[in-house]
Amino acid sequence: AQKITQTQPGMFVQEKEAVTLDCTYDTSDPSYGLFWYKQPSSGEMIFLIYQGSYDQQNATEGRYSLNFQKARKSANLVISASQLGDSAMYFCAMREDNYGQNFVFGPGTRLSVLP
Amino acid sequence: DVKVTQSSRYLVKRTGEKVFLECVQDMDHENMFWYRQDPGLGLRLIYFSYDVKMKEKGDIPEGYSVSREKKERFSLILESASTNQTSMYLCASSQGRRRQETQYFGPGTRLLVL
Repeated sequence: AQKITQTQPGMFVQEKEAVTLDCTYDTSDPSYGLFWYKQPSSGEMIFLIYQGSYDQQNATEGRYSLNFQKARKSANLVISASQLGDSAMYFCAMREDNYGQNFVFGPGTRLSVLP
Repeated sequence: DVKVTQSSRYLVKRTGEKVFLECVQDMDHENMFWYRQDPGLGLRLIYFSYDVKMKEKGDIPEGYSVSREKKERFSLILESASTNQTSMYLCASSQGRRRQETQYFGPGTRLLVL
């Protein structure tokens, strides 16, 4: 069974608009962390934002915020005021405390920002 | 800044060749990882290492081996390359002492096996 699901293979958004990229996860471990990465066409993976399972508030980093709904096991990434440079692949990942230091990644969503 | 480097950005090999992919990190990280990335599948873990000379199989180790003789270097070996190993290979490292710590990635190697 997939541990991380990203149901949107591709998304389009108009420049300056906000966009939400979906991520749902599956775990029985009460202690885990959720990460989002951006991968531009150059191939490098860029860390964007982190949410811990015990964090009470949704994480925010600049234009990135995470809509964390623990009961629904979802951790959607919200990008506000999209820019052309936001066009990239976006990956959701999870690290479970019982699984050591390893991460599990979703299949990714390709975001295209339109001028 | 953490720097993870990979020996090649692009590589073309023939079926049956032995292929070495090298990864070096400069932040004295304990943990190192090799992933392959394929469209629609995301990143899948091939092998990982939590210490020098230590290695563990990930989710898709078949057809691969690894070596970690020094802390900063983690090598991925394709003993006999096959066309289904054509992929993007990403190396990552982490210290892993804090739950919120990210993995740091290299730029990736795009391998084509003919």
